[in-house]
Amino acid sequence: AQSVSQHNHHVILSEAASLELGCNYSYGGTVNLFWYVQYPGQHLQLLLKYFSGDPLVKGIKGFEAEFIKSKFSFNLRKPSVQWSDTAEYFCAVRASGGSYIPTFGRGTSLIVHP
Amino acid sequence: SQTIHQWPATLVQPVGSPLSLECTVEGTSNPNLYWYRQAAGRGLQLLFYSVGIGQISSEVPQNLSASRPQDRQFILSSKKLLLSDSGFYLCALGGGAGANVLTFGAGSRLTVL
Repeated sequence: AQSVSQHNHHVILSEAASLELGCNYSYGGTVNLFWYVQYPGQHLQLLLKYFSGDPLVKGIKGFEAEFIKSKFSFNLRKPSVQWSDTAEYFCAVRASGGSYIPTFGRGTSLIVHP
Repeated sequence: SQTIHQWPATLVQPVGSPLSLECTVEGTSNPNLYWYRQAAGRGLQLLFYSVGIGQISSEVPQNLSASRPQDRQFILSSKKLLLSDSGFYLCALGGGAGANVLTFGAGSRLTVL
């Protein structure tokens, strides 16, 4: 079974700082990868996803993530964060071709100070 | 578009009381449905998933159960709540074969006293 590790549980940044949230997974086969975001008081929603092709994927609100297969990683990045990026971020992985059950990481709480 | 309705939004129950959380979906047919529990610092824990009416798979042994009496209805239940059942319960749907993205409901916050 796959597992997901998010190394940063709490991140505090000032506006305009750069962001990188780590995500590593353990699974030997082909995977689909996701980042979900939960803004305060809102539903959990998809930020971006990787299924195949270009390992650098771009999502909403200027976020991007890079799939590095050799490192089993799918880190989330944003060059300049805004106060509105304050949220909880979840990395998820699903074994491609398997059951439709994504496994989620523990989440990273991001606070951006104005 | 796909939408998920969860209720109640908030619930406070005594230990030992029963529980019923409901989830209904619209805008799709034959979806995969999921119950997750979100606890602070512990991420999202998959509790149950269902690929069709009457088909329930349990991921974690516990005193909770799930049922899917209709294609677009998914119910989370307990006969006797424990303190450890407190948490934020999320219903999610996937679009079926080949659809990997989950759509989440607003959640139900359960406090067991």
